[in-house]
Amino acid sequence: NAGVMQNPRHLVRRRGQEARLRCSPMKGHSHVYWYRQLPEEGLKFMVYLQKENIIDESGMPKERFSAEFPKEGPSILRIQQVVRGDSAAYFCASSPQSTGANVLTFGAGSRLTVL
Amino acid sequence: AQSVAQPEDQVNVAEGNPLTVKCTYSVSGNPYLFWYVQYPNRGLQFLLKYITGDNLVKGSYGFEAEFNKSQTSFHLKKPSALVSDSALYFCAVRHGSGNTGKLIFGQGTTLQVKP
Repeated sequence: NAGVMQNPRHLVRRRGQEARLRCSPMKGHSHVYWYRQLPEEGLKFMVYLQKENIIDESGMPKERFSAEFPKEGPSILRIQQVVRGDSAAYFCASSPQSTGANVLTFGAGSRLTVL
Repeated sequence: AQSVAQPEDQVNVAEGNPLTVKCTYSVSGNPYLFWYVQYPNRGLQFLLKYITGDNLVKGSYGFEAEFNKSQTSFHLKKPSALVSDSALYFCAVRHGSGNTGKLIFGQGTTLQVKP
């Protein structure tokens, strides 16, 4: 079992470019969560998705950020027109279902640097 | 609203001594509580969880945590610290009923174990 796979592990973008971060959940997991970790800070929830559905996007910035989890393929977190403040580590986690007792399994993260 | 507080940014302890990393939570209803550990440039690894039952929960690597409902706390403990325990530790809470979705994380506590 390969675990939660995130790519790219490191991404450098210039201000105004787009960043796309991909997450493949663990085999058998149909729930995906995205978190952002700013330098010297904790993890902030961004969005929770099931296949083809956004369940909770209460942590997503209103502009420039979007997420999807299509029927086939990985979940994508997309950041348009990146700014320096978007520089952070973005972590994806997955779980087999959404009951409260389920443990989230995290990927190794994608580190975005905006120049 | 759910929240988690980790009052200490850093905890220092000598190898072989007991360690405690503090966590308090706020959630309506019954909480589901988790501890995760993060090593540098890595994703989060699950340590243990409290769902129901015995207030003392045992987890990975010799760690344990005690759920205290009256004090709304879930402190992480280990009887004898190892240098290799040095890492960033996160407490997290989830509402314990229904379709619960996201985990809310504390700010994290850096544990430094010195030889």
